[in-house]
Amino acid sequence: QVQLQESGPGLVKPSETLSLTCSVSGGSISSYYWSWVRQPPGKGLEYIGLIYYTGTTYYNPSLKSRVIISADTSKNQLSLKLSSVTAADTAVYYCVRHEPRTLGAVTYWYLDLWGRGTLVTVSS
Amino acid sequence: DIVMTQSPLSLPVTPGEPASISCRSSQSLLHSNGYTYLDWYVQKPGQSPQVLIYMASNRASGVPDRFSGSGSGTDFTLKVSRVEAEDVGVYYCMQSLQIPRTFGQGTKVEIK
Repeated sequence: QVQLQESGPGLVKPSETLSLTCSVSGGSISSYYWSWVRQPPGKGLEYIGLIYYTGTTYYNPSLKSRVIISADTSKNQLSLKLSSVTAADTAVYYCVRHEPRTLGAVTYWYLDLWGRGTLVTVSS
Repeated sequence: DIVMTQSPLSLPVTPGEPASISCRSSQSLLHSNGYTYLDWYVQKPGQSPQVLIYMASNRASGVPDRFSGSGSGTDFTLKVSRVEAEDVGVYYCMQSLQIPRTFGQGTKVEIK
């Protein structure tokens, strides 16, 4: 059974870089799309960006200047880096695997497997 | 960005009764391939979100058939035919037509 585990510092200082890792066990990151989604405490979901295992990335324009998502197939890990953080970046960060569904000639990728999430607090 | 608007934001329900959540997008979610790029997710208390419906009306694997999705263009509905106690949580619609994918504000479903 594939499992996703987010890890990283739970506390980051303002203006520093948030760095998280998503370790995938029970399956390979290859041949899948992966996303990062965050959720500020008590609030809704915000999409950060996605990566195909080959390294192709798409970012939320609101975060694009500060975010880097990468994949390491040798370690079977995804990573998220968010620079110049502020208190507004305090959130639970989720790593998510997309599941493909083929309908006719179309392959659709929906958010299927979510990690448990990791809370990152930005505070001095 | 495509703006997703859900209603109601809070929905008290009675077990055994039906329930319905509406989701509206600021632009059509119909792809040129003829499919609609709208998903529904639920986040149960203390858990990560999980998928219910993809492409507007397709139930994901393992989702009970009391859940159904409908709609087209910009107006969508998630229906629960008979609510069970385990259905409490926050329900989100999400468009996957464009990057960034965007979520509705969430509808909190609770038992009366």
